[in-house]
Amino acid sequence: GAGVSQSPSNKVTEKGKDVELRCDPISGHTALYWYRQSLGQGLEFLIYFQGNSAPDKSGLPSDRFSAERTGGSVSTLTIQRTQQEDSAVYLCASSAGVPGPPVTGELFFGEGSRLTVL
Amino acid sequence: AQRVTQPEKLLSVFKGAPVELKCNYSYSGSPELFWYVQYSRQRLQLLLRHISRESIKGFTADLNKGETSFHLKKPFAQEEDSAMYYCALFVKGAQKLVFGQGTRLTINP
Repeated sequence: GAGVSQSPSNKVTEKGKDVELRCDPISGHTALYWYRQSLGQGLEFLIYFQGNSAPDKSGLPSDRFSAERTGGSVSTLTIQRTQQEDSAVYLCASSAGVPGPPVTGELFFGEGSRLTVL
Repeated sequence: AQRVTQPEKLLSVFKGAPVELKCNYSYSGSPELFWYVQYSRQRLQLLLRHISRESIKGFTADLNKGETSFHLKKPFAQEEDSAMYYCALFVKGAQKLVFGQGTRLTINP
């Protein structure tokens, strides 16, 4: 596809249920990022993949959150036993290179998955 | 710890007036800073990066290491500049972008 694709665009779930959010990055992009966008919280870093490995999982809020990436392409963010505080927009971004020197790659964002936990 | 602070959640100016969106950072190394923008119903996208020293859509941003700031400026605001603006810092060790809380800019006609 032409850009980063995320699904579902909207998800409403009940507290305690598990949810899976999917990200399809731009073809050939090796770096993939997940962020959470909440009102008043800005963009919160969750996890970063370089290829299939995640060197930095420090942003995952709790052990209910996990993510994987397969084939250096599609990534899935899974939230188990969802809580109301998990309600947010989950953004995925990909980059041809890290967004710092020497490449200073640009992050290309998807439209996000809006999660509402009732 | 690395941190990006955007002190204004909301900023409103009139069309044609100068606009400045503030960004301060905390980082022990040599900073690489960016501004990203999200227009209504559009994706978050890169506006400019300090390393390129570029002007995009009339916006410029100068890195001031003494004041640890990277404020975004435009001399004459246009209505189409209304958007959410995020300042971001590249953290070398972790290879990630750390974003500020964002400033919602509204340009009044």
